[in-house]
Amino acid sequence: DAGVTQSPTHLIKTRGQQVTLRCSPKSGHDTVSWYQQALGQGPQFIFQYYEEEERQRGNFPDRFSGHQFPNYSSELNVNALLLGDSALYLCASSPRSINTGELFFGEGSRLTVL
Amino acid sequence: GNSVTQMEGPVTLSEEAFLTINCTYTATGYPSLFWYVQYPGEGLQLLLKATKADDKGSNKGFEATYRKETTSFHLEKGSVQVSDSAVYFCALIRAAGTASKLTFGTGTRLQVTL
Repeated sequence: DAGVTQSPTHLIKTRGQQVTLRCSPKSGHDTVSWYQQALGQGPQFIFQYYEEEERQRGNFPDRFSGHQFPNYSSELNVNALLLGDSALYLCASSPRSINTGELFFGEGSRLTVL
Repeated sequence: GNSVTQMEGPVTLSEEAFLTINCTYTATGYPSLFWYVQYPGEGLQLLLKATKADDKGSNKGFEATYRKETTSFHLEKGSVQVSDSAVYFCALIRAAGTASKLTFGTGTRLQVTL
């Protein structure tokens, strides 16, 4: 049973560029959340998707956007990259029908903005 | 708003030593509390959880008790192993059923030496 998979694992961009990160949830999960983890910090909630719509959003600017596809996979897009966007981006999945609060995380995509 | 405060690391212990990592929280209502662990090169994974006051979560020799009177959820283990070296995150969800938006602490790095 494949867990949560994310791609790419590492990437380097320059300021002003745009980036797209991808996530496939654990089998049987229909809800995907994205978190940003800056170095030495805990993960910060960006947003959550289910039924192909954004359902909750954290305190992140509109430069951060996302999408969920019919197969439940998801993308995170960040426009006009800033140096401060350098972080580990974590995708987490869960089954909406069984809301225990447990999330299953991928290994993350490490973004470096130069 | 909701917040989680953890003791700062790193925590360095010898194998078989007793471990305590302090965690306190601020939240309205009755949050569910979690400890997640991040081993080197891996994604976050749930270690244990407690959903109501006085509940004790336990897993792999780790324990934490939900103390509403002190708003705490301290992580303990009686005898740590080198394989326990990781970063530990305390987290909460404000209330069950409100979708899986976790609020994390900043994490505590544990290093166990022989």
